[in-house]
Amino acid sequence: GEDVEQSLFLSVREGDSSVINCTYTDSSSTYLYWYKQEPGAGLQLLTYIFSNMDMKQDQRLTVLLNKKDKHLSLRIADTQTGDSAIYFCAESINSGYSTLTFGKGTMLLVSP
Amino acid sequence: SAVISQKPSRDICQRGTSLTIQCQVDSQVTMMFWYRQQPGQSLTLIATANQGSEATYESGFVIDKFPISRPNLTFSTLTVSNMSPEDSSIYLCSVVRGTNNEQFFGPGTRLTVL
Repeated sequence: GEDVEQSLFLSVREGDSSVINCTYTDSSSTYLYWYKQEPGAGLQLLTYIFSNMDMKQDQRLTVLLNKKDKHLSLRIADTQTGDSAIYFCAESINSGYSTLTFGKGTMLLVSP
Repeated sequence: SAVISQKPSRDICQRGTSLTIQCQVDSQVTMMFWYRQQPGQSLTLIATANQGSEATYESGFVIDKFPISRPNLTFSTLTVSNMSPEDSSIYLCSVVRGTNNEQFFGPGTRLTVL
């Protein structure tokens, strides 16, 4: 079955880099996503990567995918206090059904 | 991206009552889903809202408890029926847009059942 695992908590100082890790079990995953949820808000799609890619960079965000180890990471450069939120990793199997399986989320706390 | 609104944004309800949540999208979408996020938990898919036919429910969710309507390609409702405190959650609708399977979420409806 599908399972997505994340560490629950990460604390960094402002200006440092943050790395949030995720592992998944379904080798047929086609798309992998990172979502951000700020307190009391909905989910914001941050970025995504196709399974045939190793890396994707978008401004301060870098996504690395190790398909052999089924490991996905999100690196946030120059982390700011506004980056404090819960980050969810999600996978999708492009069967046309488009449903997502989410991890439990990693709470990122950025201190000044 | 997609502009998705939900009503109400939050509500406090009494046990045994029902609440209908609305989801409105700014343009037509084929795939629309309803998720539940229980306190401190991740998101769990409730069902796929199908336009013109009955919703497709995930294991553990039934139509009698969570009836869903999808009268057109921009609107859907989810009803939480005969509520109990265990139904206290955030309920989110989502849509798929674009060729890259991007899924966008509404702001959520925070439901508290007393």
